[in-house]
Amino acid sequence: RKEVEQDPGPFNVPEGATVAFNCTYSNSASQSFFWYRQDCRKEPKLLMSVYSSGNEDGRFTAQLNRASQYISLLIRDSKLSDSATYLCVVIPNAGNNRKLIWGLGTSLAVNP
Amino acid sequence: DTAVSQTPKYLVTQMGNDKSIKCEQNLGHDTMYWYKQDSKKFLKIMFSYNNKELIINETVPNRFSPKSPDKAHLNLHINSLELGDSAVYFCASSGGGNQPQHFGDGTRLSIL
Repeated sequence: RKEVEQDPGPFNVPEGATVAFNCTYSNSASQSFFWYRQDCRKEPKLLMSVYSSGNEDGRFTAQLNRASQYISLLIRDSKLSDSATYLCVVIPNAGNNRKLIWGLGTSLAVNP
Repeated sequence: DTAVSQTPKYLVTQMGNDKSIKCEQNLGHDTMYWYKQDSKKFLKIMFSYNNKELIINETVPNRFSPKSPDKAHLNLHINSLELGDSAVYFCASSGGGNQPQHFGDGTRLSIL
């Protein structure tokens, strides 16, 4: 099993749709979780951290399910500008050796 | 001010040459990273430094040598460039604890 797995997609959705991505991780002791967004030919940018209790930022909701070892990202009322690749990131251990484990990303295309 | 800046943004050079990429962060972070993202879009960690000390060194050819003169800078020198080195190289930095990484906008390296 890969350390971090994502469905690569692409997910093609119409504007205004709600779309959700999951990301599974293999290390049950993983400490921290993030969602990043990467536009074509650009650098990854932090979208949101994922907290144990779940968190929301506008149209975006992130959740963590430790029992099933996955995190999710929900996008409501999707916009054309949401088209990007969404990368799941897991930090499997604490301390100075903070080797982040990156998923391969899920591609989202929001269509007019 | 740009938080993480890397230069040059584009680098086109011939096989066999030696080149350097520079990275600087003004976020006061202790940890800096180099990633490689190839045409398949997989973001792969290469090196990480914490307070000028190497803490992550993935399986990277020894033609790649990172140097950290201080904790705000992490440069990458590549000797004897090969066709397979063509990729986008991202520098990133992070603070302590479980803080996320912040990326530079990438150096697009093309080997002729």
